[in-house]
Amino acid sequence: NAGVTQTPKFQVLKTGQSMTLQCAQDMNHNSMYWYRQDPGMGLRLIYYSASEGTTDKGEVPNGYNVSRLNKREFSLRLESAAPSQTSVYFCASSESGLTYNEQFFGPGTRLTVL
Amino acid sequence: AQSVSQHNHHVILSEAASLELGCNYSYGGTVNLFWYVQYPGQHLQLLLKYFSGDPLVKGIKGFEAEFIKSKFSFNLRKPSVQWSDTAEYFCAVIQTGANNLFFGTGTRLTVIP
Repeated sequence: NAGVTQTPKFQVLKTGQSMTLQCAQDMNHNSMYWYRQDPGMGLRLIYYSASEGTTDKGEVPNGYNVSRLNKREFSLRLESAAPSQTSVYFCASSESGLTYNEQFFGPGTRLTVL
Repeated sequence: AQSVSQHNHHVILSEAASLELGCNYSYGGTVNLFWYVQYPGQHLQLLLKYFSGDPLVKGIKGFEAEFIKSKFSFNLRKPSVQWSDTAEYFCAVIQTGANNLFFGTGTRLTVIP
């Protein structure tokens, strides 16, 4: 089991460029999440998908879009990157959206926007 | 809005010292509580969680945490730390029935051999 995988591991973008961060899980989990981690801010939820076919905004959704491609995959898209989106992005999954379920995290994508 | 406070930003301890990391949250309703750990170069992983029952929760690697509802706290403890406990520790809280897991800002623990 690979768990939660993310690509790429590192990315440098120029302001205005677009890119898609990929996330996949092989644990047959129903719920998936995207977080960003900034120094001194902890992790903040960007978007989540409680189940295949549904997506909802989290705490900081502005500037991002998501796609739940199938049960395994949940991608995060930056349409026009801004320096404020420089961050480490984590994908996570859980068995269901029930609040006591543990979330399993991927290794992260370190994104720099110049 | 919910918030989670971890007042210790960086803690430095010698091996065998006891550890207590503070976590306080602002939400007054029913919550589920978690401690996650991120070892250098590794994924975030769950240390322990509380969702009901005994407020003293035991996790992996000898860690435990106590939920004190009246103090809105969920402090993490370990009686004797090891060098391998060097990591960043995150407290997280979610309101029962909600979808948004709120994280604290993290506490970096450095254990000196």
